[in-house]
Amino acid sequence: DVKVTQSSRYLVKRTGEKVFLECVQDMDHENMFWYRQDPGLGLRLIYFSYDVKMKEKGDIPEGYSVSREKKERFSLILESASTNQTSMYLCASSTGRGYTFGSGTRLTVV
Amino acid sequence: GQQLNQSPQSMFIQEGEDVSMNCTSSSIFNTWLWYKQDPGEGPVLLIALYKAGELTSNGRLTAQFGITRKDSFLNISASIPSDVGIYFCAGLTPNTDKLIFGTGTRLQVFP
Repeated sequence: DVKVTQSSRYLVKRTGEKVFLECVQDMDHENMFWYRQDPGLGLRLIYFSYDVKMKEKGDIPEGYSVSREKKERFSLILESASTNQTSMYLCASSTGRGYTFGSGTRLTVV
Repeated sequence: GQQLNQSPQSMFIQEGEDVSMNCTSSSIFNTWLWYKQDPGEGPVLLIALYKAGELTSNGRLTAQFGITRKDSFLNISASIPSDVGIYFCAGLTPNTDKLIFGTGTRLQVFP
């Protein structure tokens, strides 16, 4: 069964901390994505990557960065966490015919 | 960022009823996808549509890719309590792998 695995289901961090959200896929997909999901705002694209070491900004990249050193791993980095980054973060991978999502990481910044 | 118009926003129905929801866009898509999200989980793909006019079923679920490539609908027949969740449509823009998501339909099923 193909999988996208996000390393943490729940995370609580302090304001100002550097936060790493990890995502690993075992499907040899080229494309990977990070979204955040907030009530009333739907899924918003933060960053995506079409290849190793490649990254593109999505619709809301401010306050975030990403790393794709290996094909199977796409990391989302919050350089200095703020309370408005409290959200559900979803990782997905794709071959171009539909996304497979991870189970999500619910991040709370206090 | 762009979002698709999905309706209705929420539905409260009785077990056994049929459900219909749809998505419209001002842009054309070459793929339409329908996802379901359970509370606290990531979205799970239900149905994928790759051709205009295509009608596809997955158990009690049926979805269609509109002829104009700007709309899609999802029907659920004989709803059951485990159908509860949020349903998202998503369109894949031509020549990219970027999905545009609908705003979601929250479904509640009462026994």
